Amino acid sequence: NAGVMQNPRHLVRRRGQEARLRCSPMKGHSHVYWYRQLPEEGLKFMVYLQKENIIDESGMPKERFSAEFPKEGPSILRIQQVVRGDSAAYFCASSPDANYGYTFGSGTRLTVV
Amino acid sequence: KQEVTQIPAALSVPEGENLVLNCSFTDSAIYNLQWFRQDPGKGLTSLLLIQSSQREQTSGRLNASLDKSSGRSTLYIAASQPGDSATYLCAVKITGGSEKLVFGKGTKLTVNP
Repeated sequence: NAGVMQNPRHLVRRRGQEARLRCSPMKGHSHVYWYRQLPEEGLKFMVYLQKENIIDESGMPKERFSAEFPKEGPSILRIQQVVRGDSAAYFCASSPDANYGYTFGSGTRLTVV
Repeated sequence: KQEVTQIPAALSVPEGENLVLNCSFTDSAIYNLQWFRQDPGKGLTSLLLIQSSQREQTSGRLNASLDKSSGRSTLYIAASQPGDSATYLCAVKITGGSEKLVFGKGTKLTVNP
């Protein structure tokens, strides 16, 4: 079991470009979560998804950010028209259901220049 | 609103010392509590998961306790080693339909040889 796979590990984007972050959950895990870690800040919840459904997006900024977890393929966190303040580490986690703890991926470190 | 606080923010100890990391949370209505380890520039590694009905969990040299009524958890590390140097994060899963974790900002531990 390869664990939670995130790619790319590092991503550099110029202001105004789009960033697409991918997450493949552990085999058998149907719950996917995205968290953001800003420099010197704790991890903050962004969105919780199950296959083809967004369950809780209360932590997502209202504009420019979107997430999906299609029937086939990885979960995608998409940031449009990136700004410097989007620079952060974005972590994906998965779990088989609510009774279990999370398994985190290694993260994608986004740098906006 | 659930808030998680970790004290101290940083801790430096000599190798071999036993130590305790503290975590407190403001709302006792939690589903579970999870301790993670984060190495610089890396993802999160789950250490221990305590369900709300449990009082403690043990794994090797690690022991985590949970006192839900007082809103506290401790992570005890026995016979610390330089390889234990990392940031330790405490997170609670809140109840009420959401599956999000609320994280503390962590305790940065340095174990000196």
